[in-house]
Amino acid sequence: GIQVEQSPPDLILQEGANSTLRCNFSDSVNNLQWFHQNPWGQLINLFYIPSGTKQNGRLSATTVATERYSLLYISSSQTTDSGVYFCAVEPAGGSYIPTFGRGTSLIVHP
Amino acid sequence: DAGVIQSPRHEVTEMGQEVTLRCKPISGHDYLFWYRQTMMRGLELLIYFNNNVPIDDSGMPEDRFSAKMPNASFSTLKIQPSEPRDSAVYFCASNSGELISGNTIYFGEGSWLTVV
Repeated sequence: GIQVEQSPPDLILQEGANSTLRCNFSDSVNNLQWFHQNPWGQLINLFYIPSGTKQNGRLSATTVATERYSLLYISSSQTTDSGVYFCAVEPAGGSYIPTFGRGTSLIVHP
Repeated sequence: DAGVIQSPRHEVTEMGQEVTLRCKPISGHDYLFWYRQTMMRGLELLIYFNNNVPIDDSGMPEDRFSAKMPNASFSTLKIQPSEPRDSAVYFCASNSGELISGNTIYFGEGSWLTVV
């Protein structure tokens, strides 16, 4: 099946810093989404971004489908950004099975 | 909409007992997924349904696990008998499966299972 690799696995930031999280995938995809899992375990969808660039406040994401990667940018990080960020892809070919990476664990210190 | 609703939120049970986890997907969503999350294995897809029909259960760990979706608004994941290694957070998720609508997946808050 498709492989999804996220980097870095862990990230520690000081409040106000910027960061870039990466998601590489091994095959063509129909769909890619970024999720944030907060410290209470809730999984919240951030972006649906099979290609192109989207922005939502301090967060933005870019997917380059032809090169099989996606980037999540966090600017001016806040302590509430702490948690685990997951990338999930749906392989091309009609399957609707989302496959998740192992995530990037982010801690933002005040 | 209230989102994907799971119950119970937390359960502690003794090894050998039956565990039933419940899920109500978002109304109108055709796809329902059951995931398990552990530190060791991350988020694993156990099974998914399309229009109440199980499509792929290859992720179900063994015969002790079973899932049903008797109607469009309800699904169960059952573990019988439970074992300590089943301790995990079990997530239910749903989506509309329509690319035109963004095909966004919505997760429930999870059921935190501890088997002692």
